[in-house]
Amino acid sequence: AQSVTQPDIHITVSEGASLELRCNYSYGATPYLFWYVQSPGQGLQLLLKYFSGDTLVQGIKGFEAEFKRSQSSFNLRKPSVHWSDAAEYFCAVGPYNTDKLIFGTGTRLQVFP
Amino acid sequence: EPEVTQTPSHQVTQMGQEVILRCVPISNHLYFYWYRQILGQKVEFLVSFYNNEISEKSEIFDDQFSVERPDGSNFTLKIRSTKLEDSAMYFCASKSNEQFFGPGTRLTVL
Repeated sequence: AQSVTQPDIHITVSEGASLELRCNYSYGATPYLFWYVQSPGQGLQLLLKYFSGDTLVQGIKGFEAEFKRSQSSFNLRKPSVHWSDAAEYFCAVGPYNTDKLIFGTGTRLQVFP
Repeated sequence: EPEVTQTPSHQVTQMGQEVILRCVPISNHLYFYWYRQILGQKVEFLVSFYNNEISEKSEIFDDQFSVERPDGSNFTLKIRSTKLEDSAMYFCASKSNEQFFGPGTRLTVL
């Protein structure tokens, strides 16, 4: 069965610290992977996506993610977190040409000054 | 930058009442979706819509749910007789190359 696991429900970091949010997936075919961010009162904004090619993908707001097929992971990273990065982050899997995305439960990021 | 919009932002209704959640997708997109997120749970796929018909739906999307594109701009989700467990945040999305999501409608069923 297709599934996405985000092991960390809540992460707290200091501003300026590095960040890694974990995502593991279970998917039968070649996965297409996404990270979305949701700020309070806002919709889900696409940070980055992986379809094929280079396994390190760059996204908006200074985020990057690395696809590791051997570990079934697609972890999100940022070298230096800003207070405005505080939000909920969702990992999702789904083929590009299918109709649905399968989401993880999300990781809430809190940033301390 | 074009965006998906949803109205209302918050809907409160009594159990058994019908509700219609409205979405305006991005204008040149052809694929439309509804997802929901029960508080504290995952975002779950409900239904996708293309070429004026449902292309895929989940087990959640039973006979109480329906979708419609009544004109060239709106995309609606109707829940015929709401239940307490329908309380959730409902997200609309539209797609060209990837899915863009609206801000959601929080539905509270009392």
